[in-house]
Amino acid sequence: GENVEQHPSTLSVQEGDSAVIKCTYSDSASNYFPWYKQELGKRPQLIIDIRSNVGEKKDQRIAVTLNKTAKHFSLHITETQPEDSAVYFCAAAANFGNEKLTFGTGTRLTIIP
Amino acid sequence: GAVVSQHPSWVICKSGTSVKIECRSLDFQATTMFWYRQFPKQSLMLMATSNEGSKATYEQGVEKDKFLINHASLTLSTLTVTSAHPEDSSFYICSARGALAGGDNEQFFGPGTRLTVL
Repeated sequence: GENVEQHPSTLSVQEGDSAVIKCTYSDSASNYFPWYKQELGKRPQLIIDIRSNVGEKKDQRIAVTLNKTAKHFSLHITETQPEDSAVYFCAAAANFGNEKLTFGTGTRLTIIP
Repeated sequence: GAVVSQHPSWVICKSGTSVKIECRSLDFQATTMFWYRQFPKQSLMLMATSNEGSKATYEQGVEKDKFLINHASLTLSTLTVTSAHPEDSSFYICSARGALAGGDNEQFFGPGTRLTVL
């Protein structure tokens, strides 16, 4: 089955700086890679996703890059703000998301004011 | 956006009792629902996938007789934790996926149910 690894497990950055979270996956059949933000005790919220036919996707301060050959994808948050503090999970699925999601282990991001 | 609700949001029960958790898609028809378990400071672990009208598919290591899943309609799935024990205490989250305008592969998550077994 699919195995998704995520690094780092914790990340602290100064407000205004950039944050980068990286994930690797094992199953070459995976072609859908969403990123979720989860605040304490709340539901995961989709913040951005990318399909394998695209190498990069950007939405305002958030971007995701995908390297299919190396089987890794990354989340980039620029101009970080205190409200970006949360736990971020990457995930992978085959069939463009019509199969089950396998989640990474999560990254606790803390933005230092 | 699509809305998924869960009930109850939290429950405390005695060891040996059964607890039922409901997951509802409020504004779309969910052809597939997923049940996850999340322990403190850990990731979401998929327990089972359920399609409306058919038996749930359980992940390896998840006891189907202990975690009963019913997906009787396109808007409701239930998870029953039978004979609950303290080690079953966790945050249970459902998600739903269905045909929506603009895309049909996104999973929408419920707010979760925190189960504490005494």
